Parts: sequence; C-alpha cells; structure tokens
Amino acid sequence: DGGITQSPKYLFRKEGQNVTLSCEQNLNHDAMYWYRQDPGQGLRLIYYSQIVNDFQKGDIAEGYSVSREKKESFPLTVTSAQKNPTAFYLCASRVKRDTGELFFGEGSRLTVL
Amino acid sequence: AQSVTQLDSHVSVSEGTPVLLRCNYSSSYSPSLFWYVQHPNKGLQLLLKYTSAATLVKGINGFEAEFKKSETSFHLTKPSAHMSDAAEYFCVVSEGLNNAGNMLTFGGGTRLMVKP
Repeated sequence: DGGITQSPKYLFRKEGQNVTLSCEQNLNHDAMYWYRQDPGQGLRLIYYSQIVNDFQKGDIAEGYSVSREKKESFPLTVTSAQKNPTAFYLCASRVKRDTGELFFGEGSRLTVL
Repeated sequence: AQSVTQLDSHVSVSEGTPVLLRCNYSSSYSPSLFWYVQHPNKGLQLLLKYTSAATLVKGINGFEAEFKKSETSFHLTKPSAHMSDAAEYFCVVSEGLNNAGNMLTFGGGTRLMVKP
C-alpha cells in the first residue's frame, strides 16, 4: 500500500538535544510538508519542499532544519534552538505543489523532558 | 492572498441529528477546497475535495459539502451524526497556478462532539 510513514511515533528528548523525525513516502509525490500541531490548535507550516534538493521555510521555521536528498524522504530536525519543541508533528505530501490533496502520515509526538 | 475561516471552534450535536460545519474562504484565484478529519493522535484523513467540477461534493462516511462561490463558502454537512464522527475537522484551500508560494491554507479547525 502506498502512503506516508513517520517515525518514531513517540519521542522523548532532553533539553539541549537535537532530534530528527523521519518521513518517508512511496507515493512518488514531488511536494512534501512538515506541520506542527499544538493542543487544541490548527496546523502550522514549518518547512516544505517542492522538488528534490530544494525546500522553503514555512511560517515557523526557526529552530528547525530539513533536507530533501531523495524524492521519497523529507526528515525534520528539531534543534536545541527551538524554544518550545513539545508538539505533535505531521508530515504530508502532494502530487505537485499545486495539484491534488495532501496525504498525511500518522504523526510523531515529541516531548521534551 | 488566500485565507480560510472555520466559523465554529466547537460544535456539539446529538447522535442521529444533522451536522453542519461551516467554512468560509477568500481566494484571488480559482481555488481547490478540501475537508479533512483528524481523530486524536492521528494524521489527517481526506473527507472530500472540490476541484472546479460539480459544486456539490460527496465524500466518505456520508459527508458532503457544497461550494458556493457567491457566498465564498464550503460548508460540510452530514444528515445523521454517528458517535464515530466525533473528531477535529479542518477546511483547507489551495490556490491555482498563479500563486508561487505554499498554496495551501488551513482553517483553525472545528471540534465535533457527538452526544449519545
């Protein structure tokens, strides 16, 4: 079955540590996205990528970094510079930047201890 | 610039009664519109989409939505609520090719509660 796989589903981190969230898709989609969701709130865009080796900052990119070395992979690193990293992170993909609906992964919940 | 407003942050209905979740949008170009559902600690699942074909769109689980350009609305409805419909719902707008940016805008979400 085609889809998006996020891992890990739950992750705990000590303050000051970087952590990387994995996102893999086998849908052959060009565009990929990372969103952050806080309790009772909507989705906020962190980064997005429309093509391999290219990505753009979203609305809340500070303290995060990404890479897009392969079409199917779009990992997100939450750095120690992110002041409030505890949240639910969602990865999504789309056929192209302007076409079709978003397909979402199951999410990764990061808790900073 | 595009925007999406979900007019109710919370909606409570009784099981078996109709559901109405309201969404208004603004867009400079011909938009595509989507409704997603999110159950706790899960990703978002597409309920239905409008992409400039029929204005009345039918989706999964008995949901449907009507695109009304004159009212810039895309309200989500279901004739009879089921307990399993309790979840968070998001309205999303995507603009056309003339927008060089991100192109996707999410509403703030509506939490649907279904009472037995």
